[in-house]
Amino acid sequence: DAKTTQPPSMDCAEGRAANLPCNHSTISGNEYVYWYRQIHSQGPQYIIHGLKNNETNEMASLIITEDRKSSTLILPHATLRDTAVYYCIVRVVGYGGATNKLIFGTGTLLAVQP
Amino acid sequence: SAVISQKPSRDICQRGTSLTIQCQVDSQVTMMFWYRQQPGQSLTLIATANQGSEATYESGFVIDKFPISRPNLTFSTLTVSNLSPEDSSIYLCSVETLETQYFGPGTRLLVL
Repeated sequence: DAKTTQPPSMDCAEGRAANLPCNHSTISGNEYVYWYRQIHSQGPQYIIHGLKNNETNEMASLIITEDRKSSTLILPHATLRDTAVYYCIVRVVGYGGATNKLIFGTGTLLAVQP
Repeated sequence: SAVISQKPSRDICQRGTSLTIQCQVDSQVTMMFWYRQQPGQSLTLIATANQGSEATYESGFVIDKFPISRPNLTFSTLTVSNLSPEDSSIYLCSVETLETQYFGPGTRLLVL
């Protein structure tokens, strides 16, 4: 079972920041937080990941709370092309089959409105 | 990152037949994975395929139904055998590199 909880859907106005929350209250100390998104009928796209520090790349920012029990993915200026299902996943990063599994939950459907 | 291609991109098959899906990556990777996404559902891991060893299947998936080959570090195939309409899904391969998994575009299978 997925170890994260996300709202099933969210709306965001085009050009505004989209803030997608994720709860992972049972996260272990060696588990990373990963975010992927899936635009309709395409393969999931990697967005960002982090362990405990906030992270930023060209796509998004990841804010992880100090206790690591929750995180927020921020798309700073949402566009219509950001409409997708966003998945928050926690997993151990290591070398070997079992520890590298991604377990997908149901994600959040973000609808960017014009 | 890694660039992954899959063939075919989509297919329509008759029940009782089999379909083999190919996954090609543009760099050598140790770990490859196969996922299934049933209509309206999230992704479910079928198996992990490491080069030089037998694939490791998740609960509910068996080798007779989903045989996997991994002949080298850039290629893998997944066969879906004895097709039934319940096998209609998107099948995706992914690879692990530098702490991250990257996904192919998927193969859309419709079984009639």
